[in-house]
Amino acid sequence: NAGVTQTPKFRVLKTGQSMTLLCAQDMNHEYMYWYRQDPGMGLRLIHYSVGEGTTAKGEVPDGYNVSRLKKQNFLLGLESAAPSQTSVYFCASRRGGSNTGELFFGEGSRLTVL
Amino acid sequence: GNSVTQMEGPVTLSEEAFLTINCTYTATGYPSLFWYVQYPGEGLQLLLKATKADDKGSNKGFEATYRKETTSFHLEKGSVQVSDSAVYFCALSDNAGNMLTFGGGTRLMVKP
Repeated sequence: NAGVTQTPKFRVLKTGQSMTLLCAQDMNHEYMYWYRQDPGMGLRLIHYSVGEGTTAKGEVPDGYNVSRLKKQNFLLGLESAAPSQTSVYFCASRRGGSNTGELFFGEGSRLTVL
Repeated sequence: GNSVTQMEGPVTLSEEAFLTINCTYTATGYPSLFWYVQYPGEGLQLLLKATKADDKGSNKGFEATYRKETTSFHLEKGSVQVSDSAVYFCALSDNAGNMLTFGGGTRLMVKP
């Protein structure tokens, strides 16, 4: 089982460039999430989705956009990258229906903005 | 809003030592509580969970008890191994189950 797959795993951007991170899950999960991980700050939620065609803002949504056109995919976009967006990004998914379900994480995507 | 506070690391222990990593939370209602572990170069994976007050979650020798009176969910292990070296995250899920809120993480280093 592939689980949660993120692409690309590494990327270097210049300030002002745009890019899209792709997350794909093969577990038929309803919920999907994008987090960023920064030293000393744990994981912070950027955006999430509770089903195909839906998205919602998390704790730190500014500078990011997301789309969930297909149930298995959740895209994170940076329209104009800034050095403050240098981080490790994690996608996660879980089944819907309760607050007890396990989150399954991808291996992370390391983004550096120069 | 919801929040999770963990003790800052790193925590450095010798093999077979006793481990405690403190976690306290602020939340309305009755959240579910989790411990996730992140090994070097990997994503997070669930270690254990507890869904109601006084529940004890356990896995791989780790335990944590959901204490509503002290709003705590401390992680413990009686005898750590070098292979337990990782970053540990405490987290809570809101009542609706839509979002997980994570603590800042605690790095554990176990020396032989």
